[in-house]
Amino acid sequence: AQTVTQSQPEMSVQEAETVTLSCTYDTSESDYYLFWYKQPPSRQMILVIRQEAYKQQNATENRFSVNFQKAAKSFSLKISDSQLGDAAMYFCAYRSAVARGSTLGRLYFGRGTQLTVWP
Amino acid sequence: DTEVTQTPKHLVMGMTNKKSLKCEQHMGHRAMYWYKQKAKKPPELMFVYSYEKLSINESVPSRFSPECPNSSLLNLHLHALQPEDSALYLCASSQVGARGVTKNIQYFGAGTRLSVL
Repeated sequence: AQTVTQSQPEMSVQEAETVTLSCTYDTSESDYYLFWYKQPPSRQMILVIRQEAYKQQNATENRFSVNFQKAAKSFSLKISDSQLGDAAMYFCAYRSAVARGSTLGRLYFGRGTQLTVWP
Repeated sequence: DTEVTQTPKHLVMGMTNKKSLKCEQHMGHRAMYWYKQKAKKPPELMFVYSYEKLSINESVPSRFSPECPNSSLLNLHLHALQPEDSALYLCASSQVGARGVTKNIQYFGAGTRLSVL
């Protein structure tokens, strides 16, 4: 089974600064998707950014960007110009691109990184 | 509109009660999911429905009974729960791509916080 590892249980950053959250994963597949989800205290899981494994270009969404290293199986999230509203639990997730039995629709989550933003 | 609506937001029930959680989406998504999430842990997949048919049951105890009456609605019926079932229950939905449900983004609701006394 695929595993996703987030080695930083907690991170903190000063407002307006930049922070990078780490994620590594283990898979034997070549075609897959990677996601970063954010879960603020309001509880709703919100998609931050998505990366398709066959694309070499790193995904960006405004202040959020990823560093996708396929050979190293690494998928880090960089948050630039951090804002107080970025404070949340961040989950890295993996999803197979192939529909196959018990993997159908399954998201494999890391254990999460709690991000605190200081004013 | 990427909204998945879950009701109720909070639910307290005794171990002998029967209750239901409701999830609704109007994005035309044909895959819907139930997750269970304990505090400070990632969500754990419980069930997947694809085209209103149960595709995955992650060996969930029978005291949890899912139902997908139509393409917009997903229910989770609860009966004879245990205190350890107290958790946040999240619903999600996604489109179904050409290669099954795996291709597309899952959109989550805000969850139902369940407490079993």
